[in-house]
Amino acid sequence: GENVEQHPSTLSVQEGDSAVIKCTYSDSASNYFPWYKQELGKGPQLIIDIRSNVGEKKDQRIAVTLNKTAKHFSLHITETQPEDSAVYFCAARKAYSGAGSYQLTFGKGTKLSVIP
Amino acid sequence: EPEVTQTPSHQVTQMGQEVILRCVPISNHLYFYWYRQILGQKVEFLVSFYNNEISEKSEIFDDQFSVERPDGSNFTLKIRSTKLEDSAMYFCASSSQGYGYTFGSGTRLTVV
Repeated sequence: GENVEQHPSTLSVQEGDSAVIKCTYSDSASNYFPWYKQELGKGPQLIIDIRSNVGEKKDQRIAVTLNKTAKHFSLHITETQPEDSAVYFCAARKAYSGAGSYQLTFGKGTKLSVIP
Repeated sequence: EPEVTQTPSHQVTQMGQEVILRCVPISNHLYFYWYRQILGQKVEFLVSFYNNEISEKSEIFDDQFSVERPDGSNFTLKIRSTKLEDSAMYFCASSSQGYGYTFGSGTRLTVV
């Protein structure tokens, strides 16, 4: 099955600096890669996603890059703010197999701390 | 913005008891999921549900677990004969197709 590795497990940055979180996946059939932000006591919230036909996607201060050949994708947060502090999860999903399932496989998460 | 609603937010149960976790997915979504997150660990897939039947399940989802969509709006996860190791956050999610999953806020299950 799919295996998603995520690094680093913890990341501390000064407010205003950039943060980068990296993930690799094992199944070359995966074609959808979402990123989730999880605040304490809450469910994962989708912040950005990318499909395998695109190499980069940006939404204000957040961007995601995908390298299909190397099977890795990264989350970039620029001009970090204290409210960006949370746990971030990457995930991967295979192309629809006709089985009626779009199961996500998650990485282990990165705890981001933005220091004011 | 549409939400996935889960109840209860916290459930404490005695070992060996049965629990039912409830979810109301987004109304026009067709795919429903349960995921589990043990404290401090990653989110793990349990089961997916489509067209009124289980479409895929993980190794975790054994005979102790069952899911049901009893009516047009609710989606439930039943855990029979709970064990200490079932203590975790349980998240319900839904999607219209394979993109843009929306997760609920979760139910924290504590088995004592």
